Amino acid sequence: GAVVSQHPSRVICKSGTSVKIECRSLDFQATTMFWYRQFPKQSLMLMATSNEGSKATYEQGVEKDKFLINHASLTLSTLTVTSAHPEDSSFYICSARRGAGNYGYTFGSGTRLTVV
Amino acid sequence: GENVEQHPSTLSVQEGDSAVIKCTYSDSASNYFPWYKQELGKRPQLIIDIRSNVGEKKDQRIAVTLNKTAKHFSLHITETQPEDSAVYFCAASTEGKSTFGDGTTLTVKP
Repeated sequence: GAVVSQHPSRVICKSGTSVKIECRSLDFQATTMFWYRQFPKQSLMLMATSNEGSKATYEQGVEKDKFLINHASLTLSTLTVTSAHPEDSSFYICSARRGAGNYGYTFGSGTRLTVV
Repeated sequence: GENVEQHPSTLSVQEGDSAVIKCTYSDSASNYFPWYKQELGKRPQLIIDIRSNVGEKKDQRIAVTLNKTAKHFSLHITETQPEDSAVYFCAASTEGKSTFGDGTTLTVKP
């Protein structure tokens, strides 16, 4: 149980275009989803917390107008990287928390974004 | 906010030896401490976790200890195998939000 599906797994886009990444909880309802970014050989850095039906909470230094997060249902959160630049190239990964309280998070499979 | 430090950044052991990775955290409100294993190009996988009301937890060759007073927790892997080679991340969680350590690259030499 507790499967999180993330698509696409890899995407290459041109500078200036937008890319949407989907994160779905397949067998549970995720009230909260988290979006992380991981640069090569670095740790996971939280970008934003996505709560179903409300606005996402962004971490300091993360541009909310550039990284649009939508959590329209209890099983789907999307991250849209708008006007992508080469420096946005990274590994983006979502995780979903099942229910309330502190539980282990289930991670999606990640999306490797390359902006050329 | 929470600050998590993880050591060492790299660790090389001989197959069959034990490996220990240590983390410290700063926020005394953190009450959940998971450990993740990430193989190259793959997602992090939860391997073990511990809550603040427990001092030690063991699952076969993996164990985690927590010292709340000192604000540190450790991952212990015994009888290491080549397939244990990966990057390991610790995390400290407060109010559902996790802060990760910088990771430890473990290499188990056959």
